[in-house]
Amino acid sequence: EDQVTQSPEALRLQEGESSSLNCSYTVSGLRGLFWYRQDPGKGPEFLFTLYSAGEEKEKERLKATLTKKESFLHITAPKPEDSATYLCAVQGNSNYQLIWGAGTKLIIKP
Amino acid sequence: DVKVTQSSRYLVKRTGEKVFLECVQDMDHENMFWYRQDPGLGLRLIYFSYDVKMKEKGDIPEGYSVSREKKERFSLILESASTNQTSMYLCASSFGLAGVGTGELFFGEGSRLTVL
Repeated sequence: EDQVTQSPEALRLQEGESSSLNCSYTVSGLRGLFWYRQDPGKGPEFLFTLYSAGEEKEKERLKATLTKKESFLHITAPKPEDSATYLCAVQGNSNYQLIWGAGTKLIIKP
Repeated sequence: DVKVTQSSRYLVKRTGEKVFLECVQDMDHENMFWYRQDPGLGLRLIYFSYDVKMKEKGDIPEGYSVSREKKERFSLILESASTNQTSMYLCASSFGLAGVGTGELFFGEGSRLTVL
């Protein structure tokens, strides 16, 4: 069964304290892995797509990486405005619908 | 700016009432989706549509129906609302043919429904 697990559920960091969020997945043939950001009371906003192991994508203080079993979202020197819930989703070759993780709530304290 | 607009941000309904949630996108996307989001759970797909008048069941279609009469508009209907349908409902759209699409979804701001 296709599955996505994100950890930790919540992460509190001081401003400038770098860390990583994890997304572990099992899927029959990975078509793509996707990261989204969701602010309170808003819909998710697309960040990255990763297609194959070894691939990396960057955007400002965020870098997403992919292996055959998991993806990491690395946050370098975060700022309070990076506080949000980060969602991971995968799309497999057998079922094109996205399978979503429950998200990691990131809180950056000034 | 591309946009997905959901008609109501907050609704309070009583058990047994009929509820309509409407969603409009201005990007000429083929695919449209309705998800519900509950604390501690990932987004769960209720229904999706890959073309006008076409619809496919998602993971949790029971108690819901949908309508897509125009390409830009996708409506979610709760025929008889129940308390376990209290949730955040998210509409999304994407490019692509026959529901395959890309994983890049554009979401609306959500409709928070409370059923008393």
